[in-house]
Amino acid sequence: IAGITQAPTSQILAAGRRMTLRCTQDMRHNAMYWYRQDLGLGLRLIHYSNTAGTTGKGEVPDGYSVSRANTDDFPLTLASAVPSQTSVYFCASSKGRSPNSPLHFGNGTRLTVT
Amino acid sequence: TQLLEQSPQFLSIQEGENLTVYCNSSSVFSSLQWYRQEPGEGPVLLVTVVTGGEVKKLKRLTFQFGDARKDSSLHITAAQPGDTGLYLCSGNEKLTFGTGTRLTIIP
Repeated sequence: IAGITQAPTSQILAAGRRMTLRCTQDMRHNAMYWYRQDLGLGLRLIHYSNTAGTTGKGEVPDGYSVSRANTDDFPLTLASAVPSQTSVYFCASSKGRSPNSPLHFGNGTRLTVT
Repeated sequence: TQLLEQSPQFLSIQEGENLTVYCNSSSVFSSLQWYRQEPGEGPVLLVTVVTGGEVKKLKRLTFQFGDARKDSSLHITAAQPGDTGLYLCSGNEKLTFGTGTRLTIIP
């Protein structure tokens, strides 16, 4: 089934550790996104990529980095995790940035930083 | 950052009742999307509105984009338990989401 795969589904991580959240899509979408979802704050954009080889900062990029080496993969790395990065992380993709290109989301990674 | 405020934050009503939830901003958006999210899953697109004043219907759901393209509403007629979920609006070409309305329909 075509779509977005995120891994792991959940993770408990000690503060200070490095962690990479994986995201793969098989829809050949140009644009990909990483959001974090926290109670009362909704979905906030961390980083995005309009096309392979390019990335951009979203609303809350500090403490996170991304790369887009190819069309399908868009990993999110926490270089040194802190408790405030405890959240549910969603990866999404779209054909492009036009209004007629809806976002397709993965099922999220629940991350707890202790 | 263009802020999107959604209201109410929580809504719990009986099956069969009607309801309206709102998405408001002080900024103009070229388009606005509504998504529904169920527990343990990512949001799923319901509709995109593009033209000021536009009204779109999806079965019992009616979406309206304000004339000035700063606000939108979602009206549900005869709510059913399957409508339960978190409703999110999004604008600015997918970069901004509202905080959501958590809707519970009581059988």
